Amino acid sequence: QVQLQQWGAGLLKPSETLSLTCVVSGGSLGIYQWSWIRQSPGKGLEWIGEINRSGNTNYNPSLKTRVSLSIDTAQNQFSLTLYSMTAADSAVYYCARGGGSDYWGQGTLVTVSS
Amino acid sequence: EIVLTQSPGTLSLSPGERATLSCRASQSVSISYLAWYQQKPGQAPRLLVYGASSRATGIPDRFSGSGSGTDFTLTISRLEPEDFAIYYCQQFGTSPYTFGLGTKLEIK
Repeated sequence: QVQLQQWGAGLLKPSETLSLTCVVSGGSLGIYQWSWIRQSPGKGLEWIGEINRSGNTNYNPSLKTRVSLSIDTAQNQFSLTLYSMTAADSAVYYCARGGGSDYWGQGTLVTVSS
Repeated sequence: EIVLTQSPGTLSLSPGERATLSCRASQSVSISYLAWYQQKPGQAPRLLVYGASSRATGIPDRFSGSGSGTDFTLTISRLEPEDFAIYYCQQFGTSPYTFGLGTKLEIK
């Protein structure tokens, strides 16, 4: 059974950088796209971007200037970096497998506050 | 980007009744890339349907998806108590991938 376990800091100050990592167990990174999605009361579910095992990325244009995805095939994990965080970036962040996502991480509540 | 409009915003029904949820896209979506999710409080979304009409693994057959082009529907044939939740549609055929704002299915 594939499982996604994510971790990272949940409380940030404005202008700081968000770093989240998602490790995949019970399966390999394989042929899939690996996604990051966030959810906030104000904006609903928002797709951030995706990466595959070759390191090819696809970002949401609304975040493209501030986001970077990376992947570590040896550790079976992938990561999200979001720069210059503001209060508007406060949300629950999820990692997930695929564009139509059949497996999700547990979510990380990220709060940006001074 | 493709905007997905879900209706109704809230649907109040009783267990045993039939639920019909709508998702309308601002431009045509390939049926291969239309998904439906269920989300309960404090949980990640759960994939119900992909490819517009294929049930995901372990999803009961009371859930069915249909539609094409810009109009898609999720039908729950007979509501069980555990079905009361928020439902989202998503398109992942055109980047950026987008979600609807959801339909809240509540107990009447």
